[in-house]
Amino acid sequence: GEDVEQSPFLSVREGDSSVINCTYTDSSSTYLYWYKQEPGAGLQLLTYIFSNMDMKQDQRLTVLLNKKDKHLSLRIADTQTGDSAIYFCAESNNDYKLSFGAGTTVTVRA
Amino acid sequence: DTEVTQTPKHLVMGMTNKKSLKCEQHMGHRAMYWYKQKAKKPPELMFVYSYEKLSINESVPSRFSPECPNSSLLNLHLHALQPEDSALYLCASSQVGTETEAFFGQGTRLTVV
Repeated sequence: GEDVEQSPFLSVREGDSSVINCTYTDSSSTYLYWYKQEPGAGLQLLTYIFSNMDMKQDQRLTVLLNKKDKHLSLRIADTQTGDSAIYFCAESNNDYKLSFGAGTTVTVRA
Repeated sequence: DTEVTQTPKHLVMGMTNKKSLKCEQHMGHRAMYWYKQKAKKPPELMFVYSYEKLSINESVPSRFSPECPNSSLLNLHLHALQPEDSALYLCASSQVGTETEAFFGQGTRLTVV
């Protein structure tokens, strides 16, 4: 989606931290999401953050939201080979429509 | 049960065929969605049902016909499709209201020949 932007690729060494960045334009966004899609599979909701939060942590995942700059990031600690996938950032404002970014392909190398 | 189940997983159909995609969830979600995803692209919203009524149609061609027979089931009827309709078709469901956390199925990989 043109309203949500992500870098297309990220390569990271196994065991390092990955940081995937996303910017969005809609200031009325209420929820921001991170989805993971493995090859040939559907989308898996990883985590989401409400727009009045700055940070959310869930095990190896940390989401940071800078609402002023409309910037969202997903940090994956101790990245594993199973984390190789396409990661989609998405936003919604309670109108049932998820606006997705184009996705970031994360490749984990040994 | 946090699953959205889609059948079939793969489907090959000719341009004159009629087929249906099926989606089922038992999470009590009253909003259900169809998305279309082309290779290496993000999903694109096609239809949204809320309380079994069609609430959003994103200008989808009439050769795609959605149906929501009850609160757990969502169908997508296909007729006279074109090769460019080949894609991964994803179903999703969510609560209605302020919580829009959507759960996706694994998708149906459709090939039109």
